Amino acid sequence: AQSVTQLDSQVPVFEEAPVELRCNYSSSVSVYLFWYVQYPNQGLQLLLKYLSGSTLVESINGFEAEFNKSQTSFHLRKPSVHISDTAEYFCAVTPSGGYNKLIFGAGTRLAVHP
Amino acid sequence: DAGVIQSPRHEVTEMGQEVTLRCKPISGHNSLFWYRQTMMRGLELLIYFNNNVPIDDSGMPEDRFSAKMPNASFSTLKIQPSEPRDSAVYFCASSLDPGETQYFGPGTRLLVL
Repeated sequence: AQSVTQLDSQVPVFEEAPVELRCNYSSSVSVYLFWYVQYPNQGLQLLLKYLSGSTLVESINGFEAEFNKSQTSFHLRKPSVHISDTAEYFCAVTPSGGYNKLIFGAGTRLAVHP
Repeated sequence: DAGVIQSPRHEVTEMGQEVTLRCKPISGHNSLFWYRQTMMRGLELLIYFNNNVPIDDSGMPEDRFSAKMPNASFSTLKIQPSEPRDSAVYFCASSLDPGETQYFGPGTRLLVL
């Protein structure tokens, strides 16, 4: 079985500062990894995903995440955050290939302050 | 594309009443998922359909919950009778194929008094 641990439930940060949201997973098989973002009163939106290939994946709005197999991590980073990045961020994992359940972490609430 | 559509967006009901939540997946997607989100338990998969057929319903809490997908463009999640502990946000998601990226609807916020 797979599991996901998001190490921080809340991350406060000032605008234009860098941020890292941590995600660790456990699995005995190879996995796909995802970051979803949930803005207030909205559904989840896919931010980025790792399926295979380059271990560094990027989103269109400046976020990036690096798959580290040895540390079983998939931390999300952004070098300079905006007020509009305030949201809840969910890391998710699923065994690679075919259909399998997406297992979500508990979420990290990112609060960007002016 | 309009994305995944859910209705109603908010529902307040009394304990014991029947609640029906509705979902229209993205056109052309053949996989549909129902999730529940609570503070205590986070995001949980309730049921997954592929080509209108329920494939994995291991997350459905109990017999009070049922889900149907009569055609490729419509699904319902029904709770009968509802209980206060069912209060949550219920999300529907769809994907092109099993294992592909899931696209979420805006959710239905359910409050059972």
